[in-house]
Amino acid sequence: IAGITQAPTSQILAAGRRMTLRCTQDMRHNAMYWYRQDLGLGLRLIHYSNTAGTTGKGEVPDGYSVSRANTDDFPLTLASAVPSQTSVYFCASSRTSGGPYNEQFFGPGTRLTVL
Amino acid sequence: KNEVEQSPQNLTAQEGEFITINCSYSVGISALHWLQQHPGGGIVSLFMLSSGKKKHGRLIATINIQEKHSSLHITASHPRDSAVYICAVGNTDKLIFGTGTRLQVFP
Repeated sequence: IAGITQAPTSQILAAGRRMTLRCTQDMRHNAMYWYRQDLGLGLRLIHYSNTAGTTGKGEVPDGYSVSRANTDDFPLTLASAVPSQTSVYFCASSRTSGGPYNEQFFGPGTRLTVL
Repeated sequence: KNEVEQSPQNLTAQEGEFITINCSYSVGISALHWLQQHPGGGIVSLFMLSSGKKKHGRLIATINIQEKHSSLHITASHPRDSAVYICAVGNTDKLIFGTGTRLQVFP
């Protein structure tokens, strides 16, 4: 793989079900991020990780959890999906979390529909 | 009031026209980013700048730190430039995004 990948590409999910969105990067970037994108709103940060083993809450973390067991992977879990979590989810990574090197590289996105 | 405001929200142009998209922000920043989101949904970084001006092909980005304002210019626009252009500001270790400017360039 080259860059950053996400899976699945799209998913329809019944409310109340558990779902994990996968994100993998091969750039050895330290920082990774999960965003959601909704019509009329800018990208909003859900959770982030500045380095393997650490995570932090973003602007809209409720209903979501993440883990960062290693540098490459940053899965996002919806423990019990609700219709308001219908959105397009983007994973991103950057070499570091701040300073001049925080250009972010985005995955292709996962379109999630919760019914 | 949003911390990052873009204008216009929508923009249509004829092929060959000079395009300007504006971004104003109200927070302290370490850098400002311009991103492009294609109709298929993919997002790519165009520029990251903290002062002055950067140029890449037909794209030019400028920033005025004192006025907290940035512009993205496209010279000799082409239908393949049709996309959503997103401004984001780097604040500590996170990005704050504008809602984007949808550009359509017609032949």
